[in-house]
Amino acid sequence: NAGVTQTPKFQVLKTGQSMTLQCAQDMNHEYMSWYRQDPGMGLRLIHYSVGAGITDQGEVPNGYNVSRSTTEDFPLRLLSAAPSQTSVYFCASSYSREALSGYTFGSGTRLTVV
Amino acid sequence: ELKVEQNPLFLSMQEGKNYTIYCNYSTTSDRLYWYRQDPGKSLESLFVLLSNGAVKQEGRLMASLDTKARLSTLHITAAVHDLSATYFCAELYNTDKLIFGTGTRLQVFP
Repeated sequence: NAGVTQTPKFQVLKTGQSMTLQCAQDMNHEYMSWYRQDPGMGLRLIHYSVGAGITDQGEVPNGYNVSRSTTEDFPLRLLSAAPSQTSVYFCASSYSREALSGYTFGSGTRLTVV
Repeated sequence: ELKVEQNPLFLSMQEGKNYTIYCNYSTTSDRLYWYRQDPGKSLESLFVLLSNGAVKQEGRLMASLDTKARLSTLHITAAVHDLSATYFCAELYNTDKLIFGTGTRLQVFP
């Protein structure tokens, strides 16, 4: 049981480049979400999904796109990277939106935009 | 405005001492979560508090939830070095969004 798997672990992008951060879970969790973590600001919600085919915006969605075509996968796309998107990105999942057992977090992707 | 405030932001404490971290949140949520994060690592779930008056304990850590006061506490008893980490609280808003506090960085020294 792998839990929540994020790839890549590290990435350096040039301003304007695009990329996709991958997130996959094998726990049959309905709810998945993306966070970014910046020093002194805790974790901020970017986008989330309550099930396949359903996504919604969080606190800081600008510059990011998501889709949820399967229960297992929830990729995060940066269409045109900016230095302000330099951060550590975490994917999290929960059995349901009620999160009675809490959330499981992936190991993170450290992204640097130069 | 959705806001989760933790205090203190930084805590340096001696081994064997007790201390409490406070987490104030802004909505009527009855779901509150505590996480631990070691440097460069992911978040580890510590406690899930699902109702008013909930109290949970694991080892030297005890968490409680008062939904009327919109307050959760994480109490540390007889701190040891292994507890050094950053601790986050998070409230579940509208059953959709987990809103995090800014974290409390705990350092335990001999």
